[in-house]
Amino acid sequence: EAGVTQFPSHSVIEKGQTVTLRCDPISGHDNLYWYRRVMGKEIKFLLHFVKESKQDESGMPNNRFLAERTGGTYSTLKVQPAELEDSGVYFCASSQVSGPGYEQYFGPGTRLTVT
Amino acid sequence: AQTVTQSQPEMSVQEAETVTLSCTYDTSENNYYLFWYKQPPSRQMILVIRQEAYKQQNATENRFSVNFQKAAKSFSLKISDSQLGDTAMYFCAFRTGNYGQNFVFGPGTRLSVLP
Repeated sequence: EAGVTQFPSHSVIEKGQTVTLRCDPISGHDNLYWYRRVMGKEIKFLLHFVKESKQDESGMPNNRFLAERTGGTYSTLKVQPAELEDSGVYFCASSQVSGPGYEQYFGPGTRLTVT
Repeated sequence: AQTVTQSQPEMSVQEAETVTLSCTYDTSENNYYLFWYKQPPSRQMILVIRQEAYKQQNATENRFSVNFQKAAKSFSLKISDSQLGDTAMYFCAFRTGNYGQNFVFGPGTRLSVLP
């Protein structure tokens, strides 16, 4: 069974440009999560999809970030325009069940560098 | 708000020896879950071990075990017979027992297993 995949693995862009990150969850997982780790600090929750609906987007830092999950399959996270402080590693995770004791399966992350 | 602290940014251990990674957390909740995830270099995070707060018995998964001290809000991870493949970033994570709440991660501990 394929795991969670993310594309690209690394992206370097200039301040003010736009970047789109993609996440493909494990097949059949309705729950999809985005997290990010900035400058070696803790991993922080961004948002949670259940199928194509946003269940919780309380962690989204500002309106420069837009997440979509059309059709309830893969998800994209667009940053427009990118700022220096957006640099970090963006993780995606998926799970079949969203209960608190259940495991989330993580992708390898996309390292975003904004120069 | 819940917080998770990992006081050891980096650690190293000789192959075949035992190492303990520390984690403390702060919460007013009584029902919650604690997790240790590991991220090997350039690979995805995987779940190492999970503990339900209402269970007094410490969780064990092969060479990995935890020392869960609920009153002290401490959740350390012990790795016995360390192997080169244990080299990774280790993240401690907390999740309340309430549906809809997401992970709170610590900043991570980078563990190097030396031959």
